[in-house]
Amino acid sequence: ETGVTQSPTHLIKTRGQQVTLRCSSQSGHNTVSWYQQALGQGPQFIFQYYREEENGRGNFPPRFSGLQFPNYSSELNVNALELDDSALYLCASSFGLAGPNHEQFFGPGTRLTVL
Amino acid sequence: DQQVKQNSPSLSVQEGRISILNCDYTNSMFDYFLWYKKYPAEGPTFLISISSIKDKNEDGRFTVFLNKSAKHLSLHIVPSQPGDSAVYFCAAHRNFGNEKLTFGTGTRLTIIP
Repeated sequence: ETGVTQSPTHLIKTRGQQVTLRCSSQSGHNTVSWYQQALGQGPQFIFQYYREEENGRGNFPPRFSGLQFPNYSSELNVNALELDDSALYLCASSFGLAGPNHEQFFGPGTRLTVL
Repeated sequence: DQQVKQNSPSLSVQEGRISILNCDYTNSMFDYFLWYKKYPAEGPTFLISISSIKDKNEDGRFTVFLNKSAKHLSLHIVPSQPGDSAVYFCAAHRNFGNEKLTFGTGTRLTIIP
């Protein structure tokens, strides 16, 4: 069973550029959530995708967008990068939406630095 | 608006003793609480959870206590082991149908051999 993988591991961009981060969900999972973890903070929910549809969004501007593909892998796109976008971006996969099992499996993250 | 708070950024405990990590929340609509453990260069790993209808859940060395009236939960690790050294995040969930988790800022636990 393959766990959640993310690419790239590290990325350096300059202000104003665009970036795409990728996530492969754990085998059998159909839900992907993205989180931003700034230095010294806990992860902040960006949005979630369930069966290729966005299902919930946190307090992030529209320049943060995403996709989920038929194989349930996902992309996070950020346009017009700002210095404050520098953070660790975590992807988490799970199966389904409801029920008592709220366990989400996290990937190792992508460290984005905006200069 | 920090709805989930972990007021202790760090904690050091002697190996074999009990580690107690605390978490406070403000949103009474949260229906499920979770603890995650994070090692450097890895994603958070689920540790233990508790439903808002319970006040205690135990799994091996880990026990989570929930005090709804005080909007407070704690994670007890006993006995503490060197491998427990990590950052621990408290997280909360509300509403079935949306798996959004609201995380605290984390507590770095160091177990001293």
